[in-house]
Amino acid sequence: EAGVVQSPRYKIIEKKQPVAFWCNPISGHNTLYWYRQNLGQGPELLIRYENEEAVDDSQLPKDRFSAERLKGVDSTLKIQPAELGDSAVYLCASGQRYEQYFGPGTRLTVT
Amino acid sequence: QQQVKQSPQSLIVQKGGIPIINCAYENTAFDYFPWYQQFPGKGPALLIAIRPDVSEKKEGRFTISFNKSAKQFSLHIMDSQPGDSATYFCAASKDYGGSQGNLIFGKGTKLSVKP
Repeated sequence: EAGVVQSPRYKIIEKKQPVAFWCNPISGHNTLYWYRQNLGQGPELLIRYENEEAVDDSQLPKDRFSAERLKGVDSTLKIQPAELGDSAVYLCASGQRYEQYFGPGTRLTVT
Repeated sequence: QQQVKQSPQSLIVQKGGIPIINCAYENTAFDYFPWYQQFPGKGPALLIAIRPDVSEKKEGRFTISFNKSAKQFSLHIMDSQPGDSATYFCAASKDYGGSQGNLIFGKGTKLSVKP
C-alpha cells in the first residue's frame, strides 16, 4: 500500500515569494492533516480536513496561509508571501479513526 | 501552553540497554496516546499507541506503560539496537465522536544507541 506522498521534498525561496506544497493521502483515508515541524520540535497542526471540509483551521495563519482539498483527496497548502520564520518542514498526514500516517514532508527554506 | 511534556531531551545508551522515555499530559480528555519514531529527513512513523483503558501494551521490543492517575506514559525499548537511533515523539489526542482529533506532540527525545 502506498504511503502519503508529498511534493516537492525541498524548496528554497526568497522572502515575500509564494510557495505551494502538494499532498496525496493514503487511499481511502478521509481525514487529512497539515502540520509544521520547526527544527528540534514536534509537529504542530495547521489544518485538519474531513473529506473536503476544513474542520479545524484555528492554528492556520490565515493572513498568509491557505489550503484546499478539492474532491476530498489531494490537498495543497500555500504560503503567500513567505517570511523568514516560515522556514520549517511541512508534513502532511492522513488517517482513519485514531491512527495518523505521515508523509516525508517538504523542507522549506526562506532566504 | 504545552499540553504534553516529554523527557529527557536526549538519551544515550549502549546496545542491549533499555532506554525509557517519559511523557506527561495535562488534559484529562485525551484518550489516545501514540509514539512516533522519526529518522532524519523522514516523516514521523507510528510506532505503538495505547488507550487509557489499559496500563501496558507491547509490540515487539517496544512497550508503553500508562499511568492514568498520574497522567503519565512512557516508552521502553527492550534490547535496543543502533538502528533504533532516532528521535521519538509522544503525542496525545481526543476523540471527536468518531473522528480523531489533532495530535498534540511532545518536543521529542533524541536517542542514540552505541554499538
